[in-house]
Amino acid sequence: QVQLVQSGAEVKKPGASVKVSCKASGYTFTSYGISWVRQAPGQGLEWMGWISAYNGNTNYAQKLQGRVTMTTDTSTSTAYMELRSLRSDDTAVYYCARAGTSGWNDYWGQGTLVTVSS
Amino acid sequence: QSVLTQPPSVSGAPGQRVTISCTGSSSNIGAGYDVHWYQQLPGTAPKLLIYGNSNRPSGVPDRFSGSKSGTSASLAITGLQAEDEADYYCQSYDSSLSGSNVFGTGTKVTVL
Repeated sequence: QVQLVQSGAEVKKPGASVKVSCKASGYTFTSYGISWVRQAPGQGLEWMGWISAYNGNTNYAQKLQGRVTMTTDTSTSTAYMELRSLRSDDTAVYYCARAGTSGWNDYWGQGTLVTVSS
Repeated sequence: QSVLTQPPSVSGAPGQRVTISCTGSSSNIGAGYDVHWYQQLPGTAPKLLIYGNSNRPSGVPDRFSGSKSGTSASLAITGLQAEDEADYYCQSYDSSLSGSNVFGTGTKVTVL
């Protein structure tokens, strides 16, 4: 069965960086993309970006350009999302999801809470 | 501020039919890009409910249906059940945001 398992919760200080991992299993990793989506406390879903697990091509949300980097390691079927220069409004649950050809996300990780606080 | 607008809340009694609208523009839904819908129960990850405007993934009850017309899309839930109480989000692609996907503002469905 398809599973996406994310790394554990993180607490970071403003200005620091965080790197969240997402290990995929149960399907051919390079046949799909990986989306990253975040949700601030009590707020809606925010699309952060997408990476092709086939060739590493990326597409980032405009507001995060320059602060976010998404990568994959095909040898371990793991995707990574690094967010730099963290601010308090980056506090959120971060999700990875398997992305299909027209942008749908059919399997989701369990979420990783990132708290940014001094 | 999302470019896809949904009503903040809708409600209905068990067994009733409710619809959730997702209003976009000529740079997203109106441009022909697919719309997808997700259900999010409290404290859990979103679940894909409808993909490609009107297709249901395996395991999603046929009480859920999606449609698209012009610059809007809709999710209908017929035979509303208590377990349908959740947040619902639409998603599409927008060509005006440097080519990004975007989620709707979200709708809370309450079963009375």
